[in-house]
Parts: sequence; C-alpha cells; structure tokens
Amino acid sequence: NAGVTQTPKFQVLKTGQSMTLQCAQDMNHEYMSWYRQDPGMGLRLIHYSVGAGITDQGEVPNGYNVSRSTTEDFPLRLLSAAPSQTSVYFCASSYGQGAEAFFGQGTRLTVV
Amino acid sequence: AQSVSQHNHHVILSEAASLELGCNYSYGGTVNLFWYVQYPGQHLQLLLKYFSGDPLVKGIKGFEAEFIKSKFSFNLRKPSVQWSDTAEYFCAVNGGGYQKVTFGIGTKLQVIP
Repeated sequence: NAGVTQTPKFQVLKTGQSMTLQCAQDMNHEYMSWYRQDPGMGLRLIHYSVGAGITDQGEVPNGYNVSRSTTEDFPLRLLSAAPSQTSVYFCASSYGQGAEAFFGQGTRLTVV
Repeated sequence: AQSVSQHNHHVILSEAASLELGCNYSYGGTVNLFWYVQYPGQHLQLLLKYFSGDPLVKGIKGFEAEFIKSKFSFNLRKPSVQWSDTAEYFCAVNGGGYQKVTFGIGTKLQVIP
C-alpha cells in the first residue's frame, strides 16, 4: 500500500537555492494539498488542487509554486529558498470535499 | 472564517489515567470535524471523524469524541491511556469545501509508564 509518497525525506538548502518537493498518490484522489508544520503553529495550508490542471492558494502560498499535470502528482516548488521556509512539509490527498486526508511521511527541510 | 482552538498544548499523564483533550471551533454553518494523531517521527493519520448523525464518535485505539453543537466543541477522550498513546493530537475542521480544512496547533501528549 503506497498511499501518498513524498520525496525527499530530508533536505538542506542554501538561501536562494530552488528545489522541488515531490508528492505522488496512487489512490486516484482528486484533491491534493501541501501543508507546512511549524512548532506551535499546527499545519498551515500552502497550496491545494481539486483536480488535474486546477490549483489554488492556501493560507501561506508566498515563495511556493505548484502544478498538477496528472491526478497522481502534485509537486511543490521553492523558487528561492529562505530560512523562514525551514519546516516540515506534508502532502495530503483525499477523495472528496471534507473527506479524510491521507498524509505522506513528510519532508524535513532546512534552509541555511 | 473558520478557526480551531486546542486548549492544552502539552499534557502529561500516567498510564491508565483518563484523557480529555479540548477542541473548540468557530464556523457558522455545517462542519466536518476530525482528530488526527501524529506519532513521533511519523505522518498524521486519522483517529476519528464526525460528519453527521450520532454526536458520539468512536475511533481507533479506544478513542472517542463528542460533538456538542451548542458549545462548538469536539473533545477527544480515552478512558485509560497507554504509553503507546504518546503522540501529538490535532483537531481539524472543514467548514465547506476541501480548501477550508483548518488544523489546530496540536496537543502533545506524553504518557509516563
């Protein structure tokens, strides 16, 4: 059971570098999203998608881009990494509005 | 806008003690409510959920939660905790539309053997 797969699990970037966090799900879910988790702040929604070709901004979208060319994949791009983007990133998918979210294992990103 | 408030940020209990974690939300319409658990070093997974019907919801591992609409609350309970329940617990609310899932800041539970 693959579920939601995120890569990499750990990453260290230098300020100004760019990178892509990968997310793939094999459950044919329409809805996918990216969250960041920071101590004392819970999970905050970065971007989300309600289907292939459709994306929208969440609560904290600045500095991040997404695209959804297929149902399975939802990559998150950091355009120019900043120390404020040091966080744990979770990708999630669900089969419908308000339904249970299935989370990936997370990516721990450090920007120095 | 919807919001979620979790009252206890860090709870320490001895094994066999009873647990109640508070969760209050603010939203004017119909809501879906969730409790997720995150074990150390792992991803979030669903404990239980409420969409409609019986306001007392039973989840995995002996957890339950009660939806009290008049109090805008969805508190999580377990009669007797185990060391393996040590984790962080998140309350979440969905007030209509996938994009409106809001998480609380989480409660870290430490169970002492």
